[in-house]
Amino acid sequence: AQSVTQLGSHVSVSEGALVLLRCSYSSSVPPYLFWYVQYPNQGLQLLLKYTSAATLVKGINGFEAEFKKSETSFHLTKPSAHMSDAAEYFCAVSDRRTSNTGKLIFGQGTTLQVKP
Amino acid sequence: DGGITQSPKYLFRKEGQNVTLSCEQNLNHDAMYWYRQDPGQGLRLIYYSQIVNDFQKGDIAEGYSVSREKKESFPLTVTSAQKNPTAFYLCASSIRGEQYFGPGTRLTVT
Repeated sequence: AQSVTQLGSHVSVSEGALVLLRCSYSSSVPPYLFWYVQYPNQGLQLLLKYTSAATLVKGINGFEAEFKKSETSFHLTKPSAHMSDAAEYFCAVSDRRTSNTGKLIFGQGTTLQVKP
Repeated sequence: DGGITQSPKYLFRKEGQNVTLSCEQNLNHDAMYWYRQDPGQGLRLIYYSQIVNDFQKGDIAEGYSVSREKKESFPLTVTSAQKNPTAFYLCASSIRGEQYFGPGTRLTVT
């Protein structure tokens, strides 16, 4: 069965430092991949998505992610953290074979803390 | 302004009572979803619907029920059979595999 693993439930960085949030998936067929952000007591907002075009995907708020098939990874990065980036981040995957259902499998989430 | 609305934002109920959470979308999306979110457990799929008058169980459907009488609406009922109903509930709709989320309803049952 399809699964998503986010390494690290909590990540802490200093303001201005590199942000790296890790996501790995299990699938024999490259899936569609997504990163969402959630601020406290709010819904999820799409940051970026990979659907088989360019392997380096640029999203909103300066975030980007690189799809690496050989590593089955889709890590999220941002060169310089801002205090407003503090939130919970979710990686999600959609199996191409069942993508017509729109179902997503979510990772457990990573809470990003940004220290001044 | 297109989007998904969930109401109310906060909901309090006594144990043993059924409660219905509202989800409305004006995005003209066919598919809609309900998730439950608990701390440290990510999002778990309760029910989803790909078309009006049709819906399927997700991973944790026990103790929940849904209906899909209109394209715009996908209400979720948390029944008294749900053992641990206190949680944050998120509704979503999708098009071309991309899901859009509502603001969520935080349900507290005491």
